[in-house]
Amino acid sequence: DVKVTQSSRYLVKRTGEKVFLECVQDMDHENMFWYRQDPGLGLRLIYFSYDVKMKEKGDIPEGYSVSREKKERFSLILESASTNQTSMYLCASSGGGTDTQYFGPGTRLTVL
Amino acid sequence: RKEVEQDPGPFNVPEGATVAFNCTYSNSASQSFFWYRQDCRKEPKLLMSVYSSGNEDGRFTAQLNRASQYISLLIRDSKLSDSATYLCVVNKRGGADGLTFGKGTHLIIQP
Repeated sequence: DVKVTQSSRYLVKRTGEKVFLECVQDMDHENMFWYRQDPGLGLRLIYFSYDVKMKEKGDIPEGYSVSREKKERFSLILESASTNQTSMYLCASSGGGTDTQYFGPGTRLTVL
Repeated sequence: RKEVEQDPGPFNVPEGATVAFNCTYSNSASQSFFWYRQDCRKEPKLLMSVYSSGNEDGRFTAQLNRASQYISLLIRDSKLSDSATYLCVVNKRGGADGLTFGKGTHLIIQP
């Protein structure tokens, strides 16, 4: 079974803090993705990566950056957290020639 | 036209009934189609892929109509445990460009 893990289930941070969200997958997938999910807005793609050290902007990259130093790990960074970044953050991976994405359990981030 | 459009519901359906959802997509170049299921406060999980010929998995049947650009999901003999949000998903262009998710249809199965 594909396993995608995220570093925290719940996180509370203050405005202006730097926030790191980590995601690890164990299926040797090439592609990894970060989404945020908000009520009424659905899942929105922030960034994705199709190889180590490669990254591509998704639909809403502003205020975020990412890092992929190892194939199994994809980090999302909020350089200076703001209250409008309070959300559920979901990591996903895909590979093996298919588009099917497998999700981690999500991190519910609250920025005060 | 939105990339992927679904009726948000909620659909309130009695246990044992048959329920169907439709979803429309705007990108005629999309090649991969899926239904995901998401329980409250959980991550989305793949329910089934949708193939051109249609496919069935137990009580669930998915159909694709490329000409009209819509996807359907049929659930027969619905169970209480089917209560969830069902996300219609299509790929953007192909491969690593990722998937576009609909906002989901909320289904409530009532005893």
